[in-house]
Amino acid sequence: NAGVMQNPRHLVRRRGQEARLRCSPMKGHSHVYWYRQLPEEGLKFMVYLQKENIIDESGMPKERFSAEFPKEGPSILRIQQVVRGDSAAYFCASTEAGIDTQYFGPGTRLTVL
Amino acid sequence: RKEVEQDPGPFNVPEGATVAFNCTYSNSASQSFFWYRQDCRKEPKLLMSVYSSGNEDGRFTAQLNRASQYISLLIRDSKLSDSATYLCVVNDSGGSNYKLTFGKGTLLTVNP
Repeated sequence: NAGVMQNPRHLVRRRGQEARLRCSPMKGHSHVYWYRQLPEEGLKFMVYLQKENIIDESGMPKERFSAEFPKEGPSILRIQQVVRGDSAAYFCASTEAGIDTQYFGPGTRLTVL
Repeated sequence: RKEVEQDPGPFNVPEGATVAFNCTYSNSASQSFFWYRQDCRKEPKLLMSVYSSGNEDGRFTAQLNRASQYISLLIRDSKLSDSATYLCVVNDSGGSNYKLTFGKGTLLTVNP
């Protein structure tokens, strides 16, 4: 039973480019969460999605960041016009409906040059 | 006051030692509490949930004091493989049960 999968594991972008991070939840999980971990900081909640619905995006920066979880395929976290401050580890987690134990993927480490 | 505050660490202990981590949280409406461990440059992994009655899993014991808004983790007979960052995690309630709030973590190094 595969766990939460994220790709790419490492992503390097230059300032102004776009970054797309993908997350496939565990089999049977329909709820996806994205967190960001800045260097030397704790994980911060960004967004909570169910299939085709954004439930809570209160942790998302107001500009340049968006997330989706389509009916088919992985969840995508998209960062437009990246800046150096976006360099961080981005973790995705998933749960079954109504269960609050979140299981994390290996993360994507984004480096902005 | 930070939402979830942990001992800043780092902790360096010899094998076999007992080590305790402390954590306080600010949101009295929080419903669920966890300890995760995170190895260097890896994802957080659930170590154990924390219940009001306290719970134990082998060498690990977790306690919750709702009145004091305090959570603890005790590791007995520590092993080299216990070296990691320990994260105190609280669900941010207010009607939701999904928004996890993480402490910054406490780094533990167990030395031979």
